[in-house]
Amino acid sequence: ETGVTQTPRHLVMGMTNKKSLKCEQHLGHNAMYWYKQSAKKPLELMFVYSLEERVENNSVPSRFSPECPNSSHLFLHLHTLQPEDSALYLCASSLAGGPDEQFFGPGTRLTVL
Amino acid sequence: GDSVTQMEGPVTLSEEAFLTINCTYTATGYPSLFWYVQYPGEGLQLLLKATKADDKGSNKGFEATYRKETTSFHLEKGSVQVSDSAVYFCALVPRYNAGNMLTFGGGTRLMVKP
Repeated sequence: ETGVTQTPRHLVMGMTNKKSLKCEQHLGHNAMYWYKQSAKKPLELMFVYSLEERVENNSVPSRFSPECPNSSHLFLHLHTLQPEDSALYLCASSLAGGPDEQFFGPGTRLTVL
Repeated sequence: GDSVTQMEGPVTLSEEAFLTINCTYTATGYPSLFWYVQYPGEGLQLLLKATKADDKGSNKGFEATYRKETTSFHLEKGSVQVSDSAVYFCALVPRYNAGNMLTFGGGTRLMVKP
């Protein structure tokens, strides 16, 4: 595997389900990010981990819970989501300290019924 | 705070037409500037970047010049192809930013017709 991978690519879940999104980077980076991309809305930065510590949480509802066990892996745990949480969730990685480009995964298309 | 403003789309062009997508920014200091492209069903890919004033980033026939005096980073291509149809995002990252956090513009959809 190369670059940034995300699994699953597509996920359909009910509002009472618990699921997790996984991101893995193979680039030797030490910062990782979760973004939400909804139709007709700008990209929203959700969480930032730098050197495995969370450095940013842009007022994201608690039904989204990130986890970064090491510099190569990032998870987004989901529970009791709402239909408006349906979106493309993008993971990215970069070198901490910047300024530097971020490398993005292909995203997970999430549909909440 | 920092911000990036892009022209609203969609931009619809015929093949081989000249493309300009405007991008202006507001930031303290001297940020690095980027253009990302998102093809249908995919994540964002870095298209080009510039790290200081008057730098020109270029890739795949696309160009953008870092203009400090006008705080702009307009994307241009001399002859677009159908395969260039995608959403283009302008972004910046401040020079001193522990989390290397990007600020994105709203994106501009480009549609190229044969």
